[in-house]
Amino acid sequence: DAGVTQSPTHLIKTRGQQVTLRCSPKSGHDTVSWYQQALGQGPQFIFQYYEEEERQRGNFPDRFSGHQFPNYSSELNVNALLLGDSALYLCASSAQTGHYGYTFGSGTRLTVV
Amino acid sequence: QKEVEQNSGPLSVPEGAIASLNCTYSDRGSQSFFWYRQYSGKSPELIMSIYSNGDKEDGRFTAQLNKASQYVSLLIRDSQPSDSATYLCAVNMGGGKLIFGQGTELSVKP
Repeated sequence: DAGVTQSPTHLIKTRGQQVTLRCSPKSGHDTVSWYQQALGQGPQFIFQYYEEEERQRGNFPDRFSGHQFPNYSSELNVNALLLGDSALYLCASSAQTGHYGYTFGSGTRLTVV
Repeated sequence: QKEVEQNSGPLSVPEGAIASLNCTYSDRGSQSFFWYRQYSGKSPELIMSIYSNGDKEDGRFTAQLNKASQYVSLLIRDSQPSDSATYLCAVNMGGGKLIFGQGTELSVKP
């Protein structure tokens, strides 16, 4: 049973560049959420996708955008990268409202230099 | 006020002792609550979920929920060095928005 798959695992980008991170949810899950986790902090909610639409969004600027495909996989795009965007980006999948929990992928470590 | 708050760590307990981790949340309408364990450099792993007031036990772990006080806790009995990790409290704020606390680092000393 494949869990949540994220790619790439590590990424180094230069300030001002754009980045795309990818996520495949756990089998049977149709909802994907993205989180940013800075060192020493809890994960911060970026947004959630369900039925190919952004259902909820956290306090992140419009530079952060996403997409969900018909097969439930998802992408996170960040434009005009800042040094402060350096973090672990986590994808979590769940069934609809996530009442019974979320499964996390192993994350993408993004470093902006 | 933060949406989900955890007691600041680090928390250090001797091997075999009980570790107690606490969490408060702001949204009275929240219906589901989770504890995740995160080892350094790894992603969060779900260890407990709780939905009703009272206690829920799973092996050495007991989750406690008091909706009137907006309080969730996690007890780890017979703590082992392998339990050393950061423990994250997470609350489903409705519509699937899962909000995390800042985490409590637990260190179990042999």
